[in-house]
Amino acid sequence: DVKVTQSSRYLVKRTGEKVFLECVQDMDHENMFWYRQDPGLGLRLIYFSYDVKMKEKGDIPEGYSVSREKKERFSLILESASTNQTSMYLCASSLRPQGGETQYFGPGTRLLVL
Amino acid sequence: AQSVTQLGSHVSVSEGALVLLRCNYSSSVPPYLFWYVQYPNQGLQLLLKYTSAATLVKGINGFEAEFKKSETSFHLTKPSAHMSDAAEYFCAVSEGGNAGKSTFGDGTTLTVKP
Repeated sequence: DVKVTQSSRYLVKRTGEKVFLECVQDMDHENMFWYRQDPGLGLRLIYFSYDVKMKEKGDIPEGYSVSREKKERFSLILESASTNQTSMYLCASSLRPQGGETQYFGPGTRLLVL
Repeated sequence: AQSVTQLGSHVSVSEGALVLLRCNYSSSVPPYLFWYVQYPNQGLQLLLKYTSAATLVKGINGFEAEFKKSETSFHLTKPSAHMSDAAEYFCAVSEGGNAGKSTFGDGTTLTVKP
């Protein structure tokens, strides 16, 4: 079974802090994604990566950056956390960068920015 | 551009009753369509997907969905609801040549009454 793990289930940070969210997948998937999930808004894509060191902006990249130095690891960085970034963050991976591929999700990180 | 509309943010059924969750999509090319389920405090997991084979797709836990091109719909059904079906359900669409990105609907929360 594919396993996607996220470094923290819950995080509390202060406004202005730099925040790192880590995601690791164990099935040699090429694609990795970061979403944020807010009530009534579904999942919104922040960034995705289809290969090591490659990244593309999603629908809401402002205030975020990402890093993919190794195939299995995809990090989301909040350069200066703000209260409007309080949310649930979900990482996902898929085998290949093409349509029809199932995405496999981690359990999520619930981030509270005070 | 691809998009998904889920009709009804909340659906409530009695245990043993039919479950019907509605999804309409928009896509400029033949789409790939997915239903994912999210149980409380977990990530999303795949229920079923349509990839241009049979139009009636069977998934896990007794769910199925029918792709209707003329109606641009992919509604999710289950003949008899169980208490364990209570969760949030997401419809998603992806297109070939889009690097495997999916666009998710806003989600439908299913409540099952005893």
